[in-house]
Amino acid sequence: DTEVTQTPKHLVMGMTNKKSLKCEQHMGHRAMYWYKQKAKKPPELMFVYSYEKLSINESVPSRFSPECPNSSLLNLHLHALQPEDSALYLCASSQSGGGGYSPLHFGNGTRLTVT
Amino acid sequence: LAKTTQPISMDSYEGQEVNITCSHNNIATNDYITWYQQFPSQGPRFIIQGYKTKVTNEVASLFIPADRKSSTLSLPRVSLSDTAVYYCLVETGGFKTIFGAGTRLFVKA
Repeated sequence: DTEVTQTPKHLVMGMTNKKSLKCEQHMGHRAMYWYKQKAKKPPELMFVYSYEKLSINESVPSRFSPECPNSSLLNLHLHALQPEDSALYLCASSQSGGGGYSPLHFGNGTRLTVT
Repeated sequence: LAKTTQPISMDSYEGQEVNITCSHNNIATNDYITWYQQFPSQGPRFIIQGYKTKVTNEVASLFIPADRKSSTLSLPRVSLSDTAVYYCLVETGGFKTIFGAGTRLFVKA
């Protein structure tokens, strides 16, 4: 079992749909992350929130819109995606809100398919 | 950010010790080395982290030579369930935790 919970586990959406991915952690961690992982590739960093503020955006297209409503929740809003955006989307959290060397705790991801 | 180089894949047999070496020639003074394990359709899982010499926990050991330009993850007596991808990361102390290509370890019976 993982302490970072992601919902849904699987999502199929059309290119004109709007959907959201959700991530929740109750470890009191102050930094939360979104990664994207294509098959047989390493996870790629997308966004980092620190103390509920966006700290890093790795030049992600605007069709991906992150949101951190509070310190325990992280959302990723999806709109007008392309088939090449199909991937496993991973959420992670780390204890330190100021960076540092805290290990990341990952959820098991949302498998997204864009048709 | 220091670039890491690992073998693409490794094979082993159950009960053997497995050593995976990672090269990070341009590691900076304040950087740490972290290893993660990932099973298919799961998120990566933290294994071990170190700065120099040797670190051991209940799962693995991490050996880092004095020049810190490489590190070796040692998995004692692997089992079939250790079949996974292992990632070596150099951590700068910020938020940019960047994964390299990883090593696919396949443990055979």
